[in-house]
Amino acid sequence: KQEVTQIPAALSVPEGENLVLNCSFTDSAIYNLQWFRQDPGKGLTSLLLIQSSQREQTSGRLNASLDKSSGRSTLYIAASQPGDSATYLCAVKTGANNLFFGTGTRLTVIP
Amino acid sequence: ETGVTQTPRHLVMGMTNKKSLKCEQHLGHNAMYWYKQSAKKPLELMFVYSLEERVENNSVPSRFSPECPNSSHLFLHLHTLQPEDSALYLCASSLQSSYNEQFFGPGTRLTVL
Repeated sequence: KQEVTQIPAALSVPEGENLVLNCSFTDSAIYNLQWFRQDPGKGLTSLLLIQSSQREQTSGRLNASLDKSSGRSTLYIAASQPGDSATYLCAVKTGANNLFFGTGTRLTVIP
Repeated sequence: ETGVTQTPRHLVMGMTNKKSLKCEQHLGHNAMYWYKQSAKKPLELMFVYSLEERVENNSVPSRFSPECPNSSHLFLHLHTLQPEDSALYLCASSLQSSYNEQFFGPGTRLTVL
């Protein structure tokens, strides 16, 4: 069974810093990997989707990379802002309906 | 309205009550999902409906009963729940494909007393 791990579980950084969130998965047979943002008590907002044939995707200050063979993905956030404070989840898709989630990294950006 | 909507946003119920959660998607998708998010645990897939037929059930207790009357609406009927069922219930939708992303609703925060 696919297992997804996110390290660290929590991270605090001062405003303006660049940071990297990590995601690893045990089975490299994936269709794609998706990064989400979740604010407290709220639903998930999709940030980036990387297909298995791609190496990275960029959206604004966010850049996600995928190394399928090693079972790793990173989410790079440039010039962090207090509004970036949230929990970041990664999820890998292994079939038409199977999406496996990590437990998330809770990010706090300190003004 | 756009995207995926869920009602109610908050629900408190006793163990003997019967209630229903509702999800509606306005994205033209043909697959809908129910997820459960408990504290400090990964999201768990509960049910999938694709083209209005249930295609997967991850051994969810029978006190949870899904219904998908059409491709835009999804319900989760609840009866005789337990306190450990308290969680955030999230609905999602997508186009049925291995490559398409899922879009999530805001969730229903359920508390079972």
